[in-house]
Amino acid sequence: QSVLTQTPSASGTPGQRVTISCSISSSNVGKNYVYWYQRLPGTAPKLLIYRNNQRPSGVPDRFSGSKSGTSASLAISGLRSEDEADYYCAAWDDSLSGPVFGGGTELTVL
Amino acid sequence: QVQLQESGPRLVKPSQTLSLTCTVSGGSISSGTYYWSWVRQPAGKGLEWIGRIYTSGSTAYNPSLKSRVTMSVDTSKNQFSLKLRSVTAADTAVYFCARGPYYSGSENSYEAWFDPWGQGTLVSVSS
Repeated sequence: QSVLTQTPSASGTPGQRVTISCSISSSNVGKNYVYWYQRLPGTAPKLLIYRNNQRPSGVPDRFSGSKSGTSASLAISGLRSEDEADYYCAAWDDSLSGPVFGGGTELTVL
Repeated sequence: QVQLQESGPRLVKPSQTLSLTCTVSGGSISSGTYYWSWVRQPAGKGLEWIGRIYTSGSTAYNPSLKSRVTMSVDTSKNQFSLKLRSVTAADTAVYFCARGPYYSGSENSYEAWFDPWGQGTLVSVSS
């Protein structure tokens, strides 16, 4: 059982808004920033959101992140076909002295 | 723009040692105060952090792999490397190298920041 739990799959139609959740089950993780990574098929993971809700340069503002208590979420608005990918949340685990990743959510654009 | 590229054998026999190298281009591995990490992803599973190294040679490993992992850095070649001993089929995975994690000196804390990543290399453990 990972300390970061994501629903395995999500889907939406083009133009729709989709939310991907990340549940945090450890206090050693919950107090730390949540990060989100996007992995398009066959490519390297890409930093999508840092420090809960910050977007790196070049990431469209269709992507937004939030965190409240032991739950974090990634929202994608104006869904596009190119958003079809696996999305991972991550955070630092103070007890592990290392990062932990969620199991990933496979997003399908119908 | 910093880029990372993994290299090494794609097939390793059980009980042997998996060895991978990550070459950093577009910038010096020694510039800034960056850590460098290895992360892996078995087929159908999530990402797992293996460990990180600083250019001083200081390392930290995932406790679940610590007894089998050694990381090293060669600043003259702008490379860092991974050795995973006594491999089994469970070590079959796509292995990524990445810059990170981020250390905040002002907050004396680490963050799960990794950017950029290498493209990844599939290493299979099989006889």
